[in-house]
Amino acid sequence: QQQVKQSPQSLIVQKGGIPIINCAYENTAFDYFPWYQQFPGKGPALLIAIRPDVSEKKEGRFTISFNKSAKQFSLHIMDSQPGDSATYFCAASKGRDDKIIFGKGTRLHILP
Amino acid sequence: KAGVTQTPRYLIKTRGQQVTLSCSPISGHRSVSWYQQTPGQGLQFLFEYFSETQRNKGNFPGRFSGRQFSNSRSEMNVSTLELGDSALYLCASRQGQGPAVSNEKLFFGSGTQLSVL
Repeated sequence: QQQVKQSPQSLIVQKGGIPIINCAYENTAFDYFPWYQQFPGKGPALLIAIRPDVSEKKEGRFTISFNKSAKQFSLHIMDSQPGDSATYFCAASKGRDDKIIFGKGTRLHILP
Repeated sequence: KAGVTQTPRYLIKTRGQQVTLSCSPISGHRSVSWYQQTPGQGLQFLFEYFSETQRNKGNFPGRFSGRQFSNSRSEMNVSTLELGDSALYLCASRQGQGPAVSNEKLFFGSGTQLSVL
């Protein structure tokens, strides 16, 4: 059972564009929503995370938008660069000691 | 600090065999989680160990098992391998206790690529 649904599966954007990756969840007990970035041959690394008490969080060129009522959250990458080409995973967990569940991932390619 | 170390990096096995993968977490981290990564299913949670006890478990068959040692190092075992077990197996560590902000961040290794022929 997919607890975190991620879309699109793949995305191609021109350099400077704003790719948007969306995730939806069903379990209202989730209270932690991180995004991980994975480059080929490497393990995923935490990019940015948000909790449901805020609607937006920015870290550099990366922004998470969170819609609690719709049970959706999204990642925006401003002024995207070819070096941002990677696979991005959204995730969710409930409680500090809970397992972290990941979406299926989005392969992002930024054209130079 | 050294990162999460997984060995071996690559492994080729045949159906029916068993395999053991190893993970050394970041020093001071007491939690180790295991994930299976495949192109179609993304990252699927296998289990998490904290202080030598299984704390969380995913929806994988009993052929997948794990354990954690007193030094927090962890091993994952897959018995009676099937072709569908071919995947990248990722280990991730985190502190496992304390404030949420320091407890929830996962640090991943580069994984063990398992091929079952």
